[in-house]
Amino acid sequence: QKEVEQNSGPLSVPEGAIASLNCTYSDRGSQSFFWYRQYSGKSPELIMFIYSNGDKEDGRFTAQLNKASQYVSLLIRDSQPSDSATYLCAVNQGGKLIFGQGTELSVKP
Amino acid sequence: DAGITQSPRHKVTETGTPVTLRCHQTENHRYMYWYRQDPGHGLRLIHYSYGVKDTDKGEVSDGYSVSRSKTEDFLLTLESATSSQTSVYFCAISERQGTTEAFFGQGTRLTVV
Repeated sequence: QKEVEQNSGPLSVPEGAIASLNCTYSDRGSQSFFWYRQYSGKSPELIMFIYSNGDKEDGRFTAQLNKASQYVSLLIRDSQPSDSATYLCAVNQGGKLIFGQGTELSVKP
Repeated sequence: DAGITQSPRHKVTETGTPVTLRCHQTENHRYMYWYRQDPGHGLRLIHYSYGVKDTDKGEVSDGYSVSRSKTEDFLLTLESATSSQTSVYFCAISERQGTTEAFFGQGTRLTVV
């Protein structure tokens, strides 16, 4: 079992819809969780981080963390074509930042 | 943008040759990481450093070594390059252990022929 797993996609949503991206992790001791966005041919860039159970909102983005179930998700409201990218979930495990394989999101106009 | 520079940006090398990739930062961040990115695998950690001369292995460290002789530089060496090491390599830096974001360099595209 991979330490951090994401649904591989690709995920396609129409413009204006909500995109839901999910991530599960294996290490119960993990304390911090990150979502990165990566456009094709570019470096990953941080969208959000979350440390506590529950929801964290930043504009159109909401990160959700459930430590008991060992999952973290990212919701993108009012999806735009410019949101089309690969989204990477990352989990800090003992100082190492471990990434999932990424979910490719395509937002259709 | 975080001050992090990778060199070279592109390299083609022959099987069996040693290759060194350089990551240079101007942020004075303690933690530095080397990842490789391949289709279907996301980012996989090769090695990381938590201080000068302090390094540890990641998920896919076989065939790679690293050195960090000063805060600003983290070198990744492929001791004898193989075609399976053809990949895009990213360096990342972070200020604290896992509680702050990691900033990524532009990446190095390495092709081993």
